[in-house]
Amino acid sequence: DVKVTQSSRYLVKRTGEKVFLECVQDMDHENMFWYRQDPGLGLRLIYFSYDVKMKEKGDIPEGYSVSREKKERFSLILESASTNQTSMYLCASRPLDRVLQETQYFGPGTRLLVL
Amino acid sequence: SQQGEEDPQALSIQEGENATMNCSYKTSINNLQWYRQNSGRGLVHLILIRSNEREKHSGRLRVTLDTSKKSSSLLITASRAADTASYFCATRMDSSYKLIFGSGTRLLVRP
Repeated sequence: DVKVTQSSRYLVKRTGEKVFLECVQDMDHENMFWYRQDPGLGLRLIYFSYDVKMKEKGDIPEGYSVSREKKERFSLILESASTNQTSMYLCASRPLDRVLQETQYFGPGTRLLVL
Repeated sequence: SQQGEEDPQALSIQEGENATMNCSYKTSINNLQWYRQNSGRGLVHLILIRSNEREKHSGRLRVTLDTSKKSSSLLITASRAADTASYFCATRMDSSYKLIFGSGTRLLVRP
């Protein structure tokens, strides 16, 4: 079974802090995603990485950056956390072959509270 | 605005009843997927239907797709308390790698 893990289930940070959210997948997937989930808004894509050291902005990248130094790990960085970044953050991965394998595999999520 | 919108936003049924959720979208798609999310957890893929398919089954799940109406429905038959979760549709367009998620339907199955 594909396993996607996220470093923390719950995180409390203060405004202005630098925050790192880590995601690790064990299935050698090329593609990895970071989403945030807010009530009534569904999931919104923050950043996408299609391979190591490759990244592409999603729909709401402002205030975030990412790092993909190794294939299995995709990090989301909040350079200076703000209260409007309080949210549930979900990581997902998917193999490169989009024709045969469309499913995204999600981690359990990190609930971030910024005070 | 979002590509996929689910209807209803919330649904409460008795165990054993069928649950039907609908999803509408705005532009042409390559495929539509349904995911389930248990409270406070990540999403789990349930089923995928491609734009050239009209109906698909998986266990107690039945998905239909009407591309002329740009809509899909997810039917869960003989529901169980364990089916209590939020259900999301997600669409991918031909020209994009991205999945666009709707805001979800919250299903409560009462024992």
